[in-house]
Amino acid sequence: AQSVTQLGSHVSVSEGALVLLRCNYSSSVPPYLFWYVQYPNQGLQLLLKYTTGATLVKGINGFEAEFKKSETSFHLTKPSAHMSDAAEYFCAVRKEGGSEKLVFGKGTKLTVNP
Amino acid sequence: DTAVSQTPKYLVTQMGNDKSIKCEQNLGHDTMYWYKQDSKKFLKIMFSYNNKELIINETVPNRFSPKSPDKAHLNLHINSLELGDSAVYFCACRGATNEKLFFGSGTQLSVL
Repeated sequence: AQSVTQLGSHVSVSEGALVLLRCNYSSSVPPYLFWYVQYPNQGLQLLLKYTTGATLVKGINGFEAEFKKSETSFHLTKPSAHMSDAAEYFCAVRKEGGSEKLVFGKGTKLTVNP
Repeated sequence: DTAVSQTPKYLVTQMGNDKSIKCEQNLGHDTMYWYKQDSKKFLKIMFSYNNKELIINETVPNRFSPKSPDKAHLNLHINSLELGDSAVYFCACRGATNEKLFFGSGTQLSVL
């Protein structure tokens, strides 16, 4: 079964600083990996995804993530945080060719300080 | 035009009542989902329908009954509401050739 672990339920950075949100996954087969963002009182929006091909994936709003099979990781980064990045971030995994189920991590709340 | 719309946005009700949450998507997607997000923000899948057919039922109590009258709608009916049902419920959909899930803005259910 697939599972996702997000290290740190709460990350706080200063505006302009590097954002690093950690995600490790467990999957017995090649996974599809996702990062979703949830702004207050809204549904989730897809930031980026990895399915196959290039392991460094670029998403919206300047975010990117790198799939590292040897480390079973898919950490999310952004070089320079903006106040508008404050939100809850969810990593998710789905089995390639598997069921429809997308398994989410427990989320990381990002706070950006001025 | 909202891609995935849920109604109502807020639902406050007493224990033991029966309530429904409606979801409609205008993206023409075949697959629709219900997710439950608890007070700690943990998001868990409840149901998935593909072309009106149930394909995932994640050990949800049978007080919860999804109904898909057509491909564009997936409603959630909950009988005999309990305090533990309080959560935010999200509807989502996905196209056949795209891994991206489109979420509604959620229905915050409070059971008193």
